Amino acid sequence: AQSVTQLGSHVSVSEGALVLLRCNYSSSVPPYLFWYVQYPNQGLQLLLKYTTGATLVKGINGFEAEFKKSETSFHLTKPSAHMSDAAEYFCAVSGNNFNKFYFGSGTKLNVKP
Amino acid sequence: SQTIHQWPATLVQPVGSPLSLECTVEGTSNPNLYWYRQAAGRGLQLLFYSVGIGQISSEVPQNLSASRPQDRQFILSSKKLLLSDSGFYLCAWGGGLTYEQYFGPGTRLTVT
Repeated sequence: AQSVTQLGSHVSVSEGALVLLRCNYSSSVPPYLFWYVQYPNQGLQLLLKYTTGATLVKGINGFEAEFKKSETSFHLTKPSAHMSDAAEYFCAVSGNNFNKFYFGSGTKLNVKP
Repeated sequence: SQTIHQWPATLVQPVGSPLSLECTVEGTSNPNLYWYRQAAGRGLQLLFYSVGIGQISSEVPQNLSASRPQDRQFILSSKKLLLSDSGFYLCAWGGGLTYEQYFGPGTRLTVT
């Protein structure tokens, strides 16, 4: 069975500070992992994904995530937060037939000036 | 390129009224299609998904139903809305061999 846990429903950072959003997964098969961002009243936009190969994946807007199998983690980072990064972020893992996604409960990122 | 449309963008309906939300995808064929709901302050709840015309999988027993009358059309319906049906409804395509899912702009439904 697959599941995702996002630690921290709200994270607040100062502009220019490191962003770290945590995601741990449970999967009975090699996982495919995703991070999405959602701005208010909009759909979800894919930030990055891990399928196979390099465990450090880079996405849009300067975000990256590292797949750590031993820790069952896929944390999202960005070296320097920008005000425009304020949004809700969702981690997801695909099911064993890739037809279903299992989403975390989301983390709202607040960026302080 | 692929595009996903949802309409209407916003909807206010009284309790007990019917519902029909539509989602269409352009630029791809035989996509997996999904309906999700976000209630206020909560994450995404998968409602239905479809891997082909007429094939609907229901994830949560509820007051809603889904249909896929055409390859790239996915409809979410209800015969009688409840207050608890309020939320933000998102359609998505992808999954399967596409791996990632792509989301539409969403429909904000308020049941009064």
